[in-house]
Amino acid sequence: DAKTTQPNSMESNEEEPVHLPCNHSTISGTDYIHWYRQLPSQGPEYVIHGLTSNVNNRMASLAIAEDRKSSTLILHRATLRDAAVYYCILRTNYGGSQGNLIFGKGTKLSVKP
Amino acid sequence: DSGVTQTPKHLITATGQRVTLRCSPRSGDLSVYWYQQSLDQGLQFLIQYYNGEERAKGNILERFSAQQFPDLHSELNLSSLELGDSALYFCASSVGGTGYNEQFFGPGTRLTVL
Repeated sequence: DAKTTQPNSMESNEEEPVHLPCNHSTISGTDYIHWYRQLPSQGPEYVIHGLTSNVNNRMASLAIAEDRKSSTLILHRATLRDAAVYYCILRTNYGGSQGNLIFGKGTKLSVKP
Repeated sequence: DSGVTQTPKHLITATGQRVTLRCSPRSGDLSVYWYQQSLDQGLQFLIQYYNGEERAKGNILERFSAQQFPDLHSELNLSSLELGDSALYFCASSVGGTGYNEQFFGPGTRLTVL
């Protein structure tokens, strides 16, 4: 799986939007961009994924650059519960691909009340 | 609640001992993954099973082994334990076994080796 680069940490205020960046300059055409997060003392949980177009779900939005070399996870209104480590992961979907996730260090998001 | 269960929640044991961690995947999920999370190594993939067969191996030590049973639950066996094996062990499951399916993680088993 290709490598991703994320800031080590970010801070946000409660009820404000948060933009979490991820660089993946070596992304290939078959790589999907996945985001997972890990709340304190819990297992990771899926947040969102996309290929080329921007994606929205109930948790967040994913904005993907036109050249796909970077993406941004957007939390529209951060809550205290969103304080977690966010992982940006590239996953290839073809018949012989492995299903395991390769976690980097992620971005630790702190949310201030 | 992800639907993935892991037992036990906590395990304290001594060096040289052997332990078994158990994972029950979400109903309908055929693939089970094991991950280890330690402070210095972060989250690392150990091994994947799909419908009873080993599908992929990561950084799993020879002292560690796993299996997936016909009812799809999985066990991770850790033997000749060392202090450095102290970590959180997560199990995850997914419907399929490829690089597209969303993975659902259990709450983890915290292993402490004294």
